[in-house]
Amino acid sequence: DIVLTQSPGTLSLSPGERATLSCRASQSVNSNFLAWFQQKPGQAPRLLIYGASNTATGIPARFSGSGSGTDFTLTISRLEPEDFAVYYCQQYGNSPGTFGQGTKVEIK
Amino acid sequence: QLQLQESGPGLVKPSETLSLTCTVSGGSLRSSSYYWAWIRQPPGKGLEWIGTIYYSGKTYYNPSLESRVTISVDTSKNEFSLKLLSMTAADTAVYFCARQATAGARKLAWFDPWGQGTLVTVSS
Repeated sequence: DIVLTQSPGTLSLSPGERATLSCRASQSVNSNFLAWFQQKPGQAPRLLIYGASNTATGIPARFSGSGSGTDFTLTISRLEPEDFAVYYCQQYGNSPGTFGQGTKVEIK
Repeated sequence: QLQLQESGPGLVKPSETLSLTCTVSGGSLRSSSYYWAWIRQPPGKGLEWIGTIYYSGKTYYNPSLESRVTISVDTSKNEFSLKLLSMTAADTAVYFCARQATAGARKLAWFDPWGQGTLVTVSS
């Protein structure tokens, strides 16, 4: 199975700052088939990005994804109060699909 | 707007079988473009894909759980179900159902949308 390692574990930032989250795969992800999700306490994950860089419907433009091969990044250009949450990456290029362990973005 | 809702017991005894159902509203399970999945999340931990089903009944399971999992579909009721045998404390988790997209030749892609999840606790 592909292991996804997310870093950092926790990111402490202030509203208005830029957040850069990393997802590194143990082997190359086929066709850059990688997604990003946001999860708030007590809620289900919400799709943000698919195909490494495609923004899902209804997701604000401040969220963007990039990367290829084994290294992927989720960037939040300017943090809004509602963006403080846990973020997960998921690869679906190789079976079985797997998730990273998550990065928590907390208010500094 | 497509919505998914999990239902089932919140408490299961060790060694027993978990049975959960996901009811889909605002759309049909009989879509050729989507699959239907179960994912779980132990308290305070990450996400684990359990398995996926197509409306035809074709199933795909995580090898780590395959020996204990059965997913089935009832298109007349627009719902799909999960059975997980021989439950232990390690199976305590929030169980989510979700629609799973396809991506080109890749049948099983990202998950969107998700149900709200249901907490299942394994305890005597």
